[in-house]
Amino acid sequence: AQKVTQAQTEISVVEKEDVTLDCVYETRDTTYYLFWYKQPPSGELVFLIRRNSFDEQNEISGRYSWNFQKSTSSFNFTITASQVVDSAVYFCALSEVNTGNQFYFGTGTSLTVIP
Amino acid sequence: DTAVSQTPKYLVTQMGNDKSIKCEQNLGHDTMYWYKQDSKKFLKIMFSYNNKELIINETVPNRFSPKSPDKAHLNLHINSLELGDSAVYFCASSQDAYNSPLHFGNGTRLTVT
Repeated sequence: AQKVTQAQTEISVVEKEDVTLDCVYETRDTTYYLFWYKQPPSGELVFLIRRNSFDEQNEISGRYSWNFQKSTSSFNFTITASQVVDSAVYFCALSEVNTGNQFYFGTGTSLTVIP
Repeated sequence: DTAVSQTPKYLVTQMGNDKSIKCEQNLGHDTMYWYKQDSKKFLKIMFSYNNKELIINETVPNRFSPKSPDKAHLNLHINSLELGDSAVYFCASSQDAYNSPLHFGNGTRLTVT
């Protein structure tokens, strides 16, 4: 079974619109970490945020915000006032204390921001 | 200075050849990884080393052999290349185990013809 599900394969928005990328995870561990990565067209993978399972506070960083809800096993990512430079593939990932160095990646959401 | 560097960036070769991809990290991390990203962008872990010791060895053909001469280096050697090996291979490192983010290299695009 997929441990991290990103149901949205592709999203297109017009510049300045807000967009939310969904991430649903599955784990039996009580201690785990969630991550978001960005892969722009140039191909590199850029770390955006880490959240541990005991910290459900939402996080805001500029135009980016993350909503972590354990009750729904979701860790959604919102981009406010999207820009063309936000066009990228975004990956959500999970790591669990009981599986050590194993990171489980979602299949990614390809975001296109249209000028 | 580049944190995780891998070479070459592009690798085009013919079926049946043997090739290597090198990876070095200057972050002082204990753990290094190889990931394969296929044409659909799916990221799949291949191997993980912690302080030169193999700790994750996913179901990967034994034509793929990682080698870690020290904890700052993790190379990937591929024997008898096949068309299906064409992909982007990413090296990554992390400080600790599950709670540290992965720092990725820029990837090596392997094309087997």
